Amino acid sequence: DARVTQTPRHKVTEMGQEVTMRCQPILGHNTVFWYRQTMMQGLELLAYFRNRAPLDDSGMPKDRFSAEMPDATLATLKIQPSEPRDSAVYFCASGLVLGLVLDYGYTFGSGTRLTVV
Amino acid sequence: GENVGLHLPTLSVQEGDNSIINCAYSNSASDYFIWYKQESGKGPQFIIDIRSNMDKRQGQRVTVLLNKTVKHLSLQIAATQPGDSAVYFCAENKNTGRRALTFGSGTRLQVQP
Repeated sequence: DARVTQTPRHKVTEMGQEVTMRCQPILGHNTVFWYRQTMMQGLELLAYFRNRAPLDDSGMPKDRFSAEMPDATLATLKIQPSEPRDSAVYFCASGLVLGLVLDYGYTFGSGTRLTVV
Repeated sequence: GENVGLHLPTLSVQEGDNSIINCAYSNSASDYFIWYKQESGKGPQFIIDIRSNMDKRQGQRVTVLLNKTVKHLSLQIAATQPGDSAVYFCAENKNTGRRALTFGSGTRLQVQP
C-alpha cells in the first residue's frame, strides 16, 4: 500500500531548540497538509501545499513555524525556537486534487510526537 | 495519535451489535464529507466519503448518511467488531476550491467482547 512517511516518529527537545519534521507524500499526490493534534484542540490545520506551492498557512504561528516543500517528495515543518506549548502530534497528509474534485480523502502519515521540555 | 479532548464522547457497544456515530458539521457550503478512524498511536485512516449530492453511501460494513437540511452526518457500522474500537472523526471539505479538511472533535467507540 502507498503510504505517507513521516520522520522522526518521536522527538524530545529542550525549549528554544530548533525542530524539523519531515514528510514524504505519496508519489503522484499533488496536495500536502500539515495538521497538529492535541488533547484540547483536536486536529488543527497548520498549512498546506498544492503542486508544492503554499496555499494557506494561516493556522501556523508565523513567528516560529515554517513549512516548505523543497521538492515533490519532501515536505518539512520547522519550529524555531520551540516552546513547551508546541508539544503535540504533528501529522502530514497527502492527496490528489484535480480541479475541484477530491477523491478518497487524504492519506495521513503516522505522525511525529513532539515533546518540548 | 492523541485522543481528542478530555471529554471525548464515548459509545460503548457489544460485539456484533450495530453502531451509529453522529456528527454535526458546521458549514452549509461544505460539499464533501469523510469519516476517518484513528487507532491509538496511528494517524487517521480513511473509512468512507460522501458528496453533498448524495444522501447515503455504503461500503463494506459501513454506511454514511448525510442530512443537509440539518447539517448532520452519521456513520453506521454493522456487526461491530473489537477491531473497530477507535476514535472516529468526521471531516468536512468546504467548497472553496482549496480543499482543506476541517475535523470534528471525534467520538470514541468501545466494543465490548
